[in-house]
Amino acid sequence: AQKVTQAQTEISVVEKEDVTLDCVYETRDTTYYLFWYKQPPSGELVFLIRRNSFDEQNEISGRYSWNFQKSTSSFNFTITASQVVDSAVYFCALRGSGETSGSRLTFGEGTQLTVNP
Amino acid sequence: GAVVSQHPSRVICKSGTSVKIECRSLDFQATTMFWYRQFPKQSLMLMATSNEGSKATYEQGVEKDKFLINHASLTLSTLTVTSAHPEDSSFYICSARKGLIDSGNTIYFGEGSWLTVV
Repeated sequence: AQKVTQAQTEISVVEKEDVTLDCVYETRDTTYYLFWYKQPPSGELVFLIRRNSFDEQNEISGRYSWNFQKSTSSFNFTITASQVVDSAVYFCALRGSGETSGSRLTFGEGTQLTVNP
Repeated sequence: GAVVSQHPSRVICKSGTSVKIECRSLDFQATTMFWYRQFPKQSLMLMATSNEGSKATYEQGVEKDKFLINHASLTLSTLTVTSAHPEDSSFYICSARKGLIDSGNTIYFGEGSWLTVV
């Protein structure tokens, strides 16, 4: 079975602060894919990143960075110098590679990030 | 990137009526589409996997006769909520897979549809 846990339900920061969103996952697949999505108040999901299980390099994209630690089954997301526009719900998701696990995304519960001016 | 469009974005219907939500892949063929439901402040829960030309695969606890899914073409899947009740009010979002299952990032989401049953 696959499982994604986002322990932080809500986070509130002041603009320009750095913030890290935690994600811990469980899967029996040896090959799997991890994702982060942003869901603004309008509801649509915005794809942020995909990480393959065999690529443990951390990635930076502008103010966003991701720390993939296979040893601890974590895929944390950091926003540097947060901005009000970053306020949204952020979902971590997992897709396996098996016949069943590879056909759907398993989402975490989401973390509501509020960035205050 | 690829585009998936959902229609309508918002719909209000009376209790007992049926409502159809469309999910279209605009610039690619999607052999597989997924339907999710999201209640307020909750995560997205997979309802069913829709495969073109065959019956949808429903997740445990999802009523097949209530949530009818049709994937008649490679670019269109529809979700029909039959005999809707207020508890069906939710945010429904579809996604479409471009390419084969072994590709990791070729899942694209629609904008979602807000359903309110009064």
